[in-house]
Amino acid sequence: NAGVTQTPKFQVLKTGQSMTLQCAQDMNHEYMSWYRQDPGMGLRLIHYSVGAGITDQGEVPNGYNVSRSTTEDFPLRLLSAAPSQTSVYFCASSYAEGEETQYFGPGTRLLVL
Amino acid sequence: AQSVTQPDIHITVSEGASLELRCNYSYGATPYLFWYVQSPGQGLQLLLKYFSGDTLVQGIKGFEAEFKRSQSSFNLRKPSVHWSDAAEYFCAVGASYRGSTLGRLYFGRGTQLTVWP
Repeated sequence: NAGVTQTPKFQVLKTGQSMTLQCAQDMNHEYMSWYRQDPGMGLRLIHYSVGAGITDQGEVPNGYNVSRSTTEDFPLRLLSAAPSQTSVYFCASSYAEGEETQYFGPGTRLLVL
Repeated sequence: AQSVTQPDIHITVSEGASLELRCNYSYGATPYLFWYVQSPGQGLQLLLKYFSGDTLVQGIKGFEAEFKRSQSSFNLRKPSVHWSDAAEYFCAVGASYRGSTLGRLYFGRGTQLTVWP
């Protein structure tokens, strides 16, 4: 198993540009989430999904869109990037039931100029 | 609403000394609690978790944590710190639903651990 994979590892954008951060998992996990990590803020939940076709907002959803068309993939879209979205983004996944651990991807570092 | 407080932003200990990292949570029901560690430039690795049962849980790398409901705490401990333990540590609480964390974790702001040789 590759686990949770994220692409790209690093990206530089100009203000107003759009892009999609990719996240995929090969563990057949139902739950997937996106977090952003900023210095001194810990990780904050952006959006999450409890299964294909079902998504919901987390703590800081503004400026981000998600969709979940398959169990494996959970892309995060920035429609119009802003400098405030400069951050490290982590994707995570877990099984639906039981005492399951969330597995985190390696992260995507995003710089918005 | 769920929240997690890690009162110590930065802790410095000498190698071989004992360690305790504090974590307090706010949650209306029985919490699912986690400690993660992050080395520089890396993702998050789970150290240990508490879902139910014994309130003293053992994790990887010699770490343990104790759940104290009366104090709303889940402090992380290690009896003897190694230089390789230098990293940032995050406490998290999971929103429970149907026995799972529903894909949502609320993190504290982290504690940076420095280990002196």
